Amino acid sequence: EVQLVESGGGLVQPGGSLRLSCAASGFTFSSYAMNWVRQAPGKGLEWVSYISSGGATVYYADSVKGRFTISRDNAKNSLFLQMNSLRDEDTAVYYCATFTGMTNYWGQGTLVTVSS
Amino acid sequence: DIQMTQSPSSLSASVGDRVTITCRASQSISSYLNWYQQKPGKAPNLLIYAASSLQSGVPSRFSGSGSGTDFTLTISSLQPEDFATYYCQQSYNTPRTFGQGTKVEIK
Repeated sequence: EVQLVESGGGLVQPGGSLRLSCAASGFTFSSYAMNWVRQAPGKGLEWVSYISSGGATVYYADSVKGRFTISRDNAKNSLFLQMNSLRDEDTAVYYCATFTGMTNYWGQGTLVTVSS
Repeated sequence: DIQMTQSPSSLSASVGDRVTITCRASQSISSYLNWYQQKPGKAPNLLIYAASSLQSGVPSRFSGSGSGTDFTLTISSLQPEDFATYYCQQSYNTPRTFGQGTKVEIK
């Protein structure tokens, strides 16, 4: 069974940092590009970041560029998102996901709340 | 970045109704278009990929069509479990942008 399990969310003050993790199992993690997607409360889906299967290529949404860093450890089947200089508007459920054709897996999400 | 625009933003329908949701891309994306269903508190669930291919396990009342810039998701006979929010997503390039969503509510 395919599983993506996010962790690391929580309450953080504006300007603070958090590191999200996503543990993958049930598929060949190292073969797939991965993404972080977020959803603010009551809002739609926003793509945040992409990393290629080997980790050499990364992309970021303009809204997080320079503040967030995506990385992966294929030996440990894990995906990460380092989030620095957090803002109120970063409050959201963060999902790790892969979407390549019919291969489309999502985690259950982890809530990040940025508030003083 | 490619902008994805869905319409309507919301709709009210009855069980058994035929429902159509449209998605327009700001430039041609060929058939690189996914449709998702999302229920409250849950991750999105893929319904359609490559504009018209039904994901395994998805009921056949869901169908997708279109290519280039204009796409449609159709639910042929709305069922109680279909009341949810639907999103399109382009998979032509990165960023893999989403439409703003269409909420399907009970009339």
